[in-house]
Amino acid sequence: SYILAQPPSVSVAPGETARITCGESNMGSKTVHWYQQKPGQTPVLVIFHDSSRPSEIPERFSGSHSGNTATLIISGVEAEDEADYYCQLWDADADHYVFGTGTQVTVL
Amino acid sequence: EVQLVESGGGLVQPGGSLRLSCAVSGFTFRSYAVSWVRQAPGKGPEWVAAISGSGATIYYADPVEGRFTVSRDNFKDTLYLQMNDLRAEDTAIYYCARIPGFSSSGYYFDFWGQGTPVTVSS
Repeated sequence: SYILAQPPSVSVAPGETARITCGESNMGSKTVHWYQQKPGQTPVLVIFHDSSRPSEIPERFSGSHSGNTATLIISGVEAEDEADYYCQLWDADADHYVFGTGTQVTVL
Repeated sequence: EVQLVESGGGLVQPGGSLRLSCAVSGFTFRSYAVSWVRQAPGKGPEWVAAISGSGATIYYADPVEGRFTVSRDNFKDTLYLQMNDLRAEDTAIYYCARIPGFSSSGYYFDFWGQGTPVTVSS
């Protein structure tokens, strides 16, 4: 089955840039979406279609996708960005939605 | 304002059944696919099922195929999840989520409800 691998944790100082990767050997041209989830809260969409951002999401959130790796980038990290982040895609071969393993972002 | 409100969760014994509901408002329900996503304690989100705007196309995750049934009532603006033969590993918070398109495939989840907890235990 499809497994989207993410680093378990990323630590970053305030004002620095956090990069969270999401990869799978057969990801190829599949578009990737990203969610932020703070403790006790519902997931929130922060990036869709690899690099598009919902209007209510701050500009410091961006995304990229090259080959078998998608990356969520948080530029100028703020304390409020401390959360778990999950990537997600649609696996057309299996007709399944798939979530990544998740990354906990800690702001030092 | 888009809203999705789940209900129907609770404590159930292994092998038992439960029916979840998700009442939506703030958008034209029949024009959008919707999905169920669950999250076990301390784990990440896990997709469960998705249904197209008309209800004609349905997809299930492998762990629930044959035990869970997703349906919708476009007159009542409500999504359902009938869960049978429940197992301990089905214990999770169950969220309904909107898919920003009529088709149930190829998208993402742009609005989520607050979730309803399901606990399977004897």
